Order: sequence, then structure tokens, then C-alpha cells
Amino acid sequence: DSGVTQTPKHLITATGQRVTLRCSPRSGDLSVYWYQQSLDQGLQFLIQYYNGEERAKGNILERFSAQQFPDLHSELNLSSLELGDSALYFCASSLTTAGETQYFGPGTRLLVL
Amino acid sequence: EDQVTQSPEALRLQEGESSSLNCSYTVSGLRGLFWYRQDPGKGPEFLFTLYSAGEEKEKERLKATLTKKESFLHITAPKPEDSATYLCAVQAGRDDKIIFGKGTRLHILP
Repeated sequence: DSGVTQTPKHLITATGQRVTLRCSPRSGDLSVYWYQQSLDQGLQFLIQYYNGEERAKGNILERFSAQQFPDLHSELNLSSLELGDSALYFCASSLTTAGETQYFGPGTRLLVL
Repeated sequence: EDQVTQSPEALRLQEGESSSLNCSYTVSGLRGLFWYRQDPGKGPEFLFTLYSAGEEKEKERLKATLTKKESFLHITAPKPEDSATYLCAVQAGRDDKIIFGKGTRLHILP
């Protein structure tokens, strides 16, 4: 158990809908990272927050957004969902920022029908 | 273009047969290179972090090494429970971008 929690574990929704994924980092960690993992693309970095501020951005679509709250939990919002958004979404946390080991949560499996 | 390439894509070994997995990278300003193990349907599990060329780290049957262009994950006398996908990732550049390789699927036969 990494200490990172993610909810929900599974999510099934329809195209065009909007969903919110939630992540609680390990106790004491200030950074939260979001990743998307699909069979053909592998693990893709989406975005990082550090102590409430956006720190680094990867291949995140404009339909996706994230935020980190004062209690350091984070939410990833996915809107106008498409079939291709079906994937595993992982959250990871680290103590500070660059070069720090990241600890991954169990993931949220999203299925868009 | 910044890239991380892992080879081979898949590897089948007999129990006890040692081998190495490769992770080659082309990035500017390496901040860290990471190795993870991932079991099907689960989140990646941290193994090692390497920061500079020449660095080596060991844990049980695994040893990770780093040069200026690549990293190796050496597996000595593997057991069936070592079967998993091994992922390599780098964090680099002023924007601290994170790039994962596509992984090596390792299968250890009893």
C-alpha cells in the first residue's frame, strides 16, 4: 500500500459527459501528479500540482482540468468525454517536486460508452 | 525530441536465468531516472531513483545502473514472482517534464 488513495475505483459513463476523479496524497507529500494509461499509449504524464499551484504540464487535453485544494487532495475533471478517453487514470504523490520519488495510487478505471 | 525507449518490449526467462533490461533516454537536464514495477491493473510500484552517471542501487535480486545515455535494470536469478512490467521514467528540463518508457513485460517461467 503506497498511502495514496484514489476514488472511485471504477467509473462507467457516456460520451459527452463530465466526471471528477479524486486523489489523496501520502501524508506529508506536497506534490500530486496525474497520469493516463491506455494500452496503446503507455503511461502519459498529464499535470503536476505542488502545494496548491500548478507546477508542470504534460499532454493534458483542454477538456481536462485539475486542481489541488488547501488540504492537498486533488481532483481531475474530465469533460465532453470521448470513447478514446477510456483508460486507467493514476495519481501519484511526492514529498516536494523535481527529482523526488513518486508513489502511485491504485488508479481509477474509466470506461466511456 | 525528448525520448525514453525501453528494450526489449517483452522478455521470457527461466527461473534463475539472469538478464538485463535497458532504458535509453535523450533529454536535456536530467533531474532523475526512475524504475517502477507494475502488475496488471495496479499502480506502478517504486523501485529505484538514480540521479547521476555512475550511480548504482540494489534491492534484493535487482540492481539499477545509470550512464549518461541509458540505464540498466539487472535481474539476478529471477523468480516467478518477479514477473511484471518494468517501467523506466525520466524527469528533465526546466519544465520538469516527466516521460515514461513503454515498459518491458517480463515473464519468469518456473
